[in-house]
Amino acid sequence: NFMLTQPHSVSESPGKTVTISCTRSSGSIASNYVQWYQQRPGTSPTTLIYDDNQRPSGVPDRFSGSIDSSSNSASLTISGLKTEDEADYYCQSYDSSNCWVFGGGTKLTVL
Amino acid sequence: QVQLQESGPGLVKPSETLSLTCTVSGGSTISNHYWSWIRQPPGKGLEWIGYIYYSGYTNYNPSLKSRVTISIDTSKNLFSLKLNSVTAADTAVYYCARQEYAYGFGPSGYWGQGTQVTVSS
Repeated sequence: NFMLTQPHSVSESPGKTVTISCTRSSGSIASNYVQWYQQRPGTSPTTLIYDDNQRPSGVPDRFSGSIDSSSNSASLTISGLKTEDEADYYCQSYDSSNCWVFGGGTKLTVL
Repeated sequence: QVQLQESGPGLVKPSETLSLTCTVSGGSTISNHYWSWIRQPPGKGLEWIGYIYYSGYTNYNPSLKSRVTISIDTSKNLFSLKLNSVTAADTAVYYCARQEYAYGFGPSGYWGQGTQVTVSS
C-alpha cells in the first residue's frame, strides 16, 4: 500500500500564509480524493477539506486544498493565520479497496 | 445535533479482547451512513481501524484485519469494536465516527470525544 508523508512541523506568524504538503509514496495523488483534518490539543479531529478542495459548511475560506500531480502531493493552505489555527493537521486518502491511509500529521505553530 | 459516545473498559490486560461501543444520538439513526473506528496512540497520529455500513458491510485496516470485528445494532442505534489479542501497542485513544462516504468523512462527518484504552497487566 502507499504512504502519505507530511512535514513533522511548520511554523509561521499570525496574518501570514502557510502551506502543508502531503506526498503520496506510490500511485497517483489524483487517483483518490484527499481529505484534511484539524485536531486542536485535547479535542477530536474535524474535517477541513474533503474531495481534494471542498470545504464543509462552516469552514472559513482561509483554508484551501489542492493537489499537484507533478509532485504527487496534496497541499493544505491556510491564509491569514490566526493563533487559533495552532493545531495538528492530517491528510487522508484511500486505496482501491477504500482502505484509509492517514499522513503522519503536521504540527502547526503560530508564533 | 448528531452525538457519538464511546464506552467501554479503560484498562485491558495483554492478550485479552478490547471491546468498545459507540452510541449514536441526537436525531441521527444508524441507517444510511458509514460508521468508523479510528485510534490515536499517545503522542502519535491517527490510525484507521475500519468501518461498517448500516447494512453490515465491513472494511478493515489490513494490518489489523485478523484481530478486528466491527458490528452494528440498528435497533439500539449503536455499533461496536472488538480487538483481540491486544498488546501494549494497542494503547490509544479510540474514536468512533460517522462518515458520509466509504472513502472519507465528506461534508458532514461527526466524531465522538474519544476514549482512552490502556493495555497493561
